[in-house]
Amino acid sequence: DAGITQSPRHKVTETGTPVTLRCHQTENHRYMYWYRQDPGHGLRLIHYSYGVKDTDKGEVSDGYSVSRSKTEDFLLTLESATSSQTSVYFCAIGSGQGWDEQYFGPGTRLTVT
Amino acid sequence: TQLLEQSPQFLSIQEGENLTVYCNSSSVFSSLQWYRQEPGEGPVLLVTVVTGGEVKKLKRLTFQFGDARKDSSLHITAAQPGDTGLYLCAGPPGNQFYFGTGTSLTVIP
Repeated sequence: DAGITQSPRHKVTETGTPVTLRCHQTENHRYMYWYRQDPGHGLRLIHYSYGVKDTDKGEVSDGYSVSRSKTEDFLLTLESATSSQTSVYFCAIGSGQGWDEQYFGPGTRLTVT
Repeated sequence: TQLLEQSPQFLSIQEGENLTVYCNSSSVFSSLQWYRQEPGEGPVLLVTVVTGGEVKKLKRLTFQFGDARKDSSLHITAAQPGDTGLYLCAGPPGNQFYFGTGTSLTVIP
């Protein structure tokens, strides 16, 4: 298995509070991705990174920001959590040309009350 | 509206039966990937198809990429309970990446 960890694995937070999810890899892969998975919508790309300090928006980026200051870490921040951001969040990594094979982390279940 | 439509959405079959899952789009994809996801875990890549008309086999699983690179199929021969899971197609129509809504397969022993 690819060395990807996500923390926390579960979190319950209140509407309006900031939340940061962390993705850590030990594979030295260039590309890192954040997705959310919701019933009826499947997996949707939030943001991705193609190198340190190089990030871009995905399909559902509104309300989210990301940072990548080191190759191994990719942070997803919800500046002010809303109930619509209740979801399971997955991080993925890839070493190839952008959209090549991706290896997923175990996921973080976030509940915003 | 999903960029990648999968059918059927749910499938429940007996062990030993064959099945086909479809992934369709109106957009052209430079490649298509198939993943399997089990409850509580992240998706795991099964295969990537790149060339229109390409067929790839992975043991009892056969993957095909349409000639026009707008659709793909996954065929499982003699399904086993271990094949149970959520099957997802995914790919990049340009500078973004999309997943299909998935096909939930249950193989009954």
